Order: sequence, then C-alpha cells, then structure tokens
Amino acid sequence: EAGVVQSPRYKIIEKKQPVAFWCNPISGHNTLYWYRQNLGQGPELLIRYENEEAVDDSQLPKDRFSAERLKGVDSTLKIQPAELGDSAVYLCASSLDGLAVFTDTQYFGPGTRLTVL
Amino acid sequence: AQSVTQLGSHVSVSEGALVLLRCNYSSSVPPYLFWYVQYPNQGLQLLLKYTTGATLVKGINGFEAEFKKSETSFHLTKPSAHMSDAAEYFCAVSDPQTGANNLFFGTGTRLTVIP
Repeated sequence: EAGVVQSPRYKIIEKKQPVAFWCNPISGHNTLYWYRQNLGQGPELLIRYENEEAVDDSQLPKDRFSAERLKGVDSTLKIQPAELGDSAVYLCASSLDGLAVFTDTQYFGPGTRLTVL
Repeated sequence: AQSVTQLGSHVSVSEGALVLLRCNYSSSVPPYLFWYVQYPNQGLQLLLKYTTGATLVKGINGFEAEFKKSETSFHLTKPSAHMSDAAEYFCAVSDPQTGANNLFFGTGTRLTVIP
C-alpha cells in the first residue's frame, strides 16, 4: 500500500513569490492534516480536513496561506506571497477518521522542504 | 492547553547501551501520548502510543514507554541501542477534551549511536 505522497520534495523560491505544495493521502483516509516543522522544532498543525471540510484551521495564517481539498482526496497548500520566515518543512499526514476513532494513527508523508531566499 | 517537554535535544549512546529519551507533558487531564521517529528526509513514523489501560506500552523496533501519571512523564526506552536507531524522536500528546486527534509535538531529541 502506498503511503502519503507529497510533492515537490524540495522548493527554493524568492520572497514574495507564490508556492504550492501537493499531498495525496493514503487511499481511504478521510482525515488529512497539514503541519509545518521549523528547523529544530516539532511539527505544528496548520489545518485539518475531515473529507473536504476544513474543521480546524485556527493555526493557519490566513492572510497568506490557503488550502483546499476538493473531492475530499488530495490537497493543496498554498502560500502567497512567501516570506523569509516561511522556510520550513511542510508535512502532510492522513488518518482513517480523526473524529470517530479518537486515537486514530496519523501517517506522515516525507514533507516538502521550502527555502525562501 | 497541552504542552510537551523533551529534555535533551541531543542524546548520544554507545551501540548496545540503554536508550532513554525523556518526555514530560503538561495537561489538565490525562492526555493520549505518542512517540514518533523521524529518519533523515523521511516523514514521521509512529513508534508507540498510550491511550488507556496498561501503562507500559511496547512499540516497534524494541522500544517501549511507560506512562507515569504522578510524574507526568512518558519516557521512551530501549534496552540495547542499534546503529539503525539513530534518528530524531518526537513525543506528542493529544487532548481528549477537544474531540479531535490533533497532535501537539515536543521539540524533538536527536539520538546518535556511537559504534
């Protein structure tokens, strides 16, 4: 079974440019998470989807970040415009059902390492 | 609010020695607790988790952790380190009260295994 797929793996852009990250969760997983991991830190949740609905986006900087999960499968996270402080690894995770199965295991993708110059 | 403290950002052990990675949590209610491992250029992988029941939890690759409510701790151990254990380890909690499986991670401990 394929794991969580993310692309690209690496991205280097100049500040003020837009960037997008793509995630394809494990087949059949209803819940999808986007995390940001700054250097030397643990991942921090940005947004959580239950199917196509964003049920927790309280930590998403909405002035420049946006996300979508059309059709409740794959998802895209966008930053526009990017700032120097956005340099981080962006991780996508998925689980079967984050609500019904309370301690449902999250499976993580390899992440996209973003460098903003 | 949930928070996790991992004591020691770097831990070095000799091959074959005991591995002990420390995790303490802060929570108004007993949380659910997790340990994840991250190998270079890879995503996080679940090692083990505690929800309810037996406080000693066994995970993959010979790791185990014990939930101690009185000490608000969930330390990770392995009797004998292997070279392949070298990685970054993250302790995480989720809050039963929020009704969601949002994880709050510690800052991680990088384990180095010396041959």
